[in-house]
Amino acid sequence: GQNIDQPTEMTATEGAIVQINCTYQTSGFNGLFWYQQHAGEAPTFLSYNVLDGLEEKGRFSSFLSRSKGYSYLLLKELQMKDSASYLCAVRPNTGFQKLVFGTGTRLLVSP
Amino acid sequence: GAVVSQHPSWVICKSGTSVKIECRSLDFQATTMFWYRQFPKQSLMLMATSNEGSKATYEQGVEKDKFLINHASLTLSTLTVTSAHPEDSSFYICSATTSGISYNEQFFGPGTRLTVL
Repeated sequence: GQNIDQPTEMTATEGAIVQINCTYQTSGFNGLFWYQQHAGEAPTFLSYNVLDGLEEKGRFSSFLSRSKGYSYLLLKELQMKDSASYLCAVRPNTGFQKLVFGTGTRLLVSP
Repeated sequence: GAVVSQHPSWVICKSGTSVKIECRSLDFQATTMFWYRQFPKQSLMLMATSNEGSKATYEQGVEKDKFLINHASLTLSTLTVTSAHPEDSSFYICSATTSGISYNEQFFGPGTRLTVL
């Protein structure tokens, strides 16, 4: 089976740093994605990890440890517009490139 | 970047009727399209994967006779919810991908909110 867990909700203040964790147990592994989704909108791509280590992209960084089945998304210098849901998705080593999404984390950034 | 559209953006229908949702890749040819369902405050649940010109592959627990998927061309896939009931009310999102795209990334449509009365 496929199991991907994230914290349900997190809160943080503007300007702070927040780390959103994702743990996964999947039948295979061929990459992990992080998406941002505002309410009622489509997910937008943030990052992709397939090898262990940290990928940095502006205010957002994503880390992967395949041996631990663990990833995190790090958001720096938080802004109010970062209030959204953050979805971790794993691509199991199956055909058709499908993604299995985690439970999602709702982040609320307050002034 | 790659753009995926969905139509309609929202629809309200009576119980027992059928509803068709279109998903189009506007600036690339999508060899594979995916259909997801998302209930309020929940994550995306994959319903089915469709490849152009072949039958869709449905996830376990998804009724293929209720959710008809057609991927007739490289730019269009349709999802038809047949004999819709209130429990089918949800946010339906499609995504599309093709070979040669970085990370084999999926590009998501803006979603269709279905409300069944």
